[in-house]
Amino acid sequence: GENVEQHPSTLSVQEGDSAVIKCTYSDSASNYFPWYKQELGKGPQLIIDIRSNVGEKKDQRIAVTLNKTAKHFSLHITETQPEDSAVYFCAASRAQKLVFGQGTRLTINP
Amino acid sequence: NAGVTQTPKFRVLKTGQSMTLLCAQDMNHEYMYWYRQDPGMGLRLIHYSVGEGTTAKGEVPDGYNVSRLKKQNFLLGLESAAPSQTSVYFCASSEMPPLGVMNTEAFFGQGTRLTVV
Repeated sequence: GENVEQHPSTLSVQEGDSAVIKCTYSDSASNYFPWYKQELGKGPQLIIDIRSNVGEKKDQRIAVTLNKTAKHFSLHITETQPEDSAVYFCAASRAQKLVFGQGTRLTINP
Repeated sequence: NAGVTQTPKFRVLKTGQSMTLLCAQDMNHEYMYWYRQDPGMGLRLIHYSVGEGTTAKGEVPDGYNVSRLKKQNFLLGLESAAPSQTSVYFCASSEMPPLGVMNTEAFFGQGTRLTVV
């Protein structure tokens, strides 16, 4: 089955700097790659997603890139703000079943 | 429009006790899922359903049962709770993908924190 590896497990950046989180997946049939943000005491919430027919997608300060050949995808957050502090999860999916990475705890230092 | 609602939010069980977690969604979604979240392990799929009256096993189904008698509800049961089932449980739902689309967004509930002592 699918296996998703996510790195790093923790990331601390200065406010205003960029943050990058990377994931690799094993199943070449996976075709949907969402990123979720989870704030303390809440459920995960989708922040951006990318499909296998697209190499890059951007939404304001957040961007995701996908390299199907290498089977890896990354989340990029620019101009980080205190409210970006949270746990971020990547996931890979085919046939509507998500397999999650282990999560990255992002801390934005003022 | 409440989205996905989980009941209860917190529960403490003794080893061997049983309980049912309830998930309700008001978005008319076909697909529903139960995940468990443990530190350092992300979210792992327990069971899922692709429609009313159907259920299927996920990655970690042992010790759990589910039922989907109504489209809007997905129940997760623990028949004989064990300390290894101490976790945070999340329910999610998603709509059936339209023709030509392979996946749609999953919406998550707020979670149920279960402790088995």
